[in-house]
Amino acid sequence: KAGVTQTPRYLIKTRGQQVTLSCSPISGHRSVSWYQQTPGQGLQFLFEYFSETQRNKGNFPGRFSGRQFSNSRSEMNVSTLELGDSALYLCASSLGTSGRIEQYFGPGTRLTVT
Amino acid sequence: ELKVEQNPLFLSMQEGKNYTIYCNYSTTSDRLYWYRQDPGKSLESLFVLLSNGAVKQEGRLMASLDTKARLSTLHITAAVHDLSATYFCAVASHTGTASKLTFGTGTRLQVTL
Repeated sequence: KAGVTQTPRYLIKTRGQQVTLSCSPISGHRSVSWYQQTPGQGLQFLFEYFSETQRNKGNFPGRFSGRQFSNSRSEMNVSTLELGDSALYLCASSLGTSGRIEQYFGPGTRLTVT
Repeated sequence: ELKVEQNPLFLSMQEGKNYTIYCNYSTTSDRLYWYRQDPGKSLESLFVLLSNGAVKQEGRLMASLDTKARLSTLHITAAVHDLSATYFCAVASHTGTASKLTFGTGTRLQVTL
């Protein structure tokens, strides 16, 4: 079974630009969560999607948004990039139903904002 | 708001020695995860602990959960160099059907010869 895939793996953007990251969950998984990892703040929850609906959102500004498609693939978008948005962005997929608890992480997208 | 504290932040240990990483959390939860992360890599799931007194072991790693004390431990037995990595605990919290993981700060483990 293929694992969680994320594209692109590496990205360099300039302040003020916007970026879109993509995550394809494990086949059959309906829940996708996004996390940001930085040296200063550690791993922080961004949002969770299940069946195309955002179920939960972390404490991030509105510049961070996401969506999920009918095939469970998810994208997150960051607009008006700031230097502090430089991070490793991880997505995790799970079945998303009660009792099905394993979360599997993708390889991440490393975003550098210059 | 759920807080997860992990200690130590950094651990340097010799091969063959035993040590324990601690994970304290502030509010009740029904799941606790342990992950491993190698430099520049993603998170690898090690254990999921669901109930009070749960103990799981894989190779030289053993994780346990005390929900009353809100404490989980990751015990390393007879460390080997291959265990060098950063270890994170993460606690699940739920709002209705929504859930999220709150991570500890991570423990960077360095096993030396």
